Amino acid sequence: GNSVTQMEGPVTLSEEAFLTINCTYTATGYPSLFWYVQYPGEGLQLLLKATKADDKGSNKGFEATYRKETTSFHLEKGSVQVSDSAVYFCALPPSGGSYIPTFGRGTSLIVHP
Amino acid sequence: EAQVTQNPRYLITVTGKKLTVTCSQNMNHEYMSWYRQDPGLGLRQIYYSMNVEVTDKGDVPEGYKVSRKEKRNFPLILESPSPNQTSLYFCASSLSGSGGRNIQYFGAGTRLSVL
Repeated sequence: GNSVTQMEGPVTLSEEAFLTINCTYTATGYPSLFWYVQYPGEGLQLLLKATKADDKGSNKGFEATYRKETTSFHLEKGSVQVSDSAVYFCALPPSGGSYIPTFGRGTSLIVHP
Repeated sequence: EAQVTQNPRYLITVTGKKLTVTCSQNMNHEYMSWYRQDPGLGLRQIYYSMNVEVTDKGDVPEGYKVSRKEKRNFPLILESPSPNQTSLYFCASSLSGSGGRNIQYFGAGTRLSVL
């Protein structure tokens, strides 16, 4: 079945630092890939997505590129802000006869002023 | 405004006292689901529903029930809660359960404590 592996957190950075959160996946075929963000006290919301190989999803200064060769979808941001402090989830949609999406375990990001 | 609404946001109860967490969406989505979120375990799906009167087990269904009598509502029922069901619960919906591009929309969460 599908699986998603994310780097363990928490990731602690100073404001304006560069961010990378690694995500690799195992899936049948070439699924869409998603990053969701969960701000403190809130539900998850879509941050960005990519629907095919070499696509780059982007939103709010975050980017992730769908790399078929390395089965990866790493999240990056050039200059983080305190307001980016949240938990980030890499996710796969349902596929292969399953109707259950696959989420990574989440990576907590803490940004200090 | 498109949204998924869960109630209550916080709930403290005692072992064995039946409870229901409600979930409603206003986007005419076919697919709805419940997750629990626990430290170190991430999100795990409890039950999902492909449409009215169509429900199926997710990864951790034991101790939970659901029903889908109307398209917009998908309540989660704990008939005899136990302390190991203390968790943060999320309801989610998407346009359909198939089609790999569907975005999921999440409620704000219900924090449940079972004493």
